[in-house]
Amino acid sequence: QQPVQSPQAVILREGEDAVINCSSSKALYSVHWYRQKHGEAPVFLMILLKGGEQKGHEKISASFNEKKQQSSLYLTASQLSYSGTYFCGSNNNAGNMLTFGGGTRLMVKP
Amino acid sequence: DTAVSQTPKYLVTQMGNDKSIKCEQNLGHDTMYWYKQDSKKFLKIMFSYNNKELIINETVPNRFSPKSPDKAHLNLHINSLELGDSAVYFCASSQVAGANVLTFGAGSRLTVL
Repeated sequence: QQPVQSPQAVILREGEDAVINCSSSKALYSVHWYRQKHGEAPVFLMILLKGGEQKGHEKISASFNEKKQQSSLYLTASQLSYSGTYFCGSNNNAGNMLTFGGGTRLMVKP
Repeated sequence: DTAVSQTPKYLVTQMGNDKSIKCEQNLGHDTMYWYKQDSKKFLKIMFSYNNKELIINETVPNRFSPKSPDKAHLNLHINSLELGDSAVYFCASSQVAGANVLTFGAGSRLTVL
């Protein structure tokens, strides 16, 4: 089952914050976040395993709420380089492959 | 050295033709994948190979046939191309099978006319 991402698109000014959500109808084992810049391959950002942990990468962090079956990606003080499409991938046990959400297109303007 | 490389980067062809995309990884990973990304940006897994063995074959027309001659290579052959096959095809690899970190290739954009 494909996770659902929201919002589908967001436009920010440099320095503003954003939150991208990823929800699943099934129990989650892990959530992965990837960023894809226009015309390029998706690049891994971080992985979260069940346990409600938070992780960080530059000024990007994420949380994982196992009970709510969702993960959120927080982009703080956004930079132009944050522009791209963000994908969450999830699975419901360690052996399963990832299923990706539909992506959230983020545009950061000067 | 590119970690996951795929060729060609662009492919334009007529309906009904047969084409292949090649992928190679130099990361020493055990598992390789083919993903299809359509015009709406949905990333869907098509196939996964672990040490040359097919472990995932999602609902994909049998016109698509993957081949893995060794664990560093995974090729995709497509017969009788259709308009709906137009997409970007990404090869990826991971250390082991399962929900492992994926390293993607740069993608191969296939356009069927």
